[in-house]
Amino acid sequence: RKEVEQDPGPFNVPEGATVAFNCTYSNSASQSFFWYRQDCRKEPKLLMSVYSSGNEDGRFTAQLNRASQYISLLIRDSKLSDSATYLCVVKATGNNRLAFGKGNQVVVIP
Amino acid sequence: NAGVTQTPKFQVLKTGQSMTLQCAQDMNHNSMYWYRQDPGMGLRLIYYSASEGTTDKGEVPNGYNVSRLNKREFSLRLESAAPSQTSVYFCASSPRTSGANEQFFGPGTRLTVL
Repeated sequence: RKEVEQDPGPFNVPEGATVAFNCTYSNSASQSFFWYRQDCRKEPKLLMSVYSSGNEDGRFTAQLNRASQYISLLIRDSKLSDSATYLCVVKATGNNRLAFGKGNQVVVIP
Repeated sequence: NAGVTQTPKFQVLKTGQSMTLQCAQDMNHNSMYWYRQDPGMGLRLIYYSASEGTTDKGEVPNGYNVSRLNKREFSLRLESAAPSQTSVYFCASSPRTSGANEQFFGPGTRLTVL
């Protein structure tokens, strides 16, 4: 089983709509969780960290479900500029490296 | 403050040639990383350096060597390039040795091996 799994999509979203997707992780010792955004042919950039209590940053909401070992990202009122690939990233305790998912590709359609 | 810089941006090699990818960061970060990204594979860690003077293998180290030249610079060397090493290579840095917080990425090097 892959360490981090994501449905690559693409997720075609009408402008103004809401889109949500999940990412599952296999290592129950994982302690740190992140969503990164990667634009086409660009480097990944941190979108937000994911906290146990869930967190919100403007139109973006991230949730963590430790029991079922998944994290989610919800984007409200989608903008054309939200078109990108969203990478789920997980770090296990005692491990110096991050594990990256393949990404969820979001395409916002006018 | 340039962040993480990588050179070159693009490179074409013939099988068996060698080259070194350069990475530098000006954020005084302790940890630095080299990843490769292939279509459908996601980012995979090649090598990392938790702090100056240390390097460790990541998920896919075969065919590569690294040097942490100083706190700022972390280079990746391909001694004998193979077509399977055609990829986009990203360097990243992180303030803490645990890498638990944000990693900052360079713009990438697009390498083609013929």
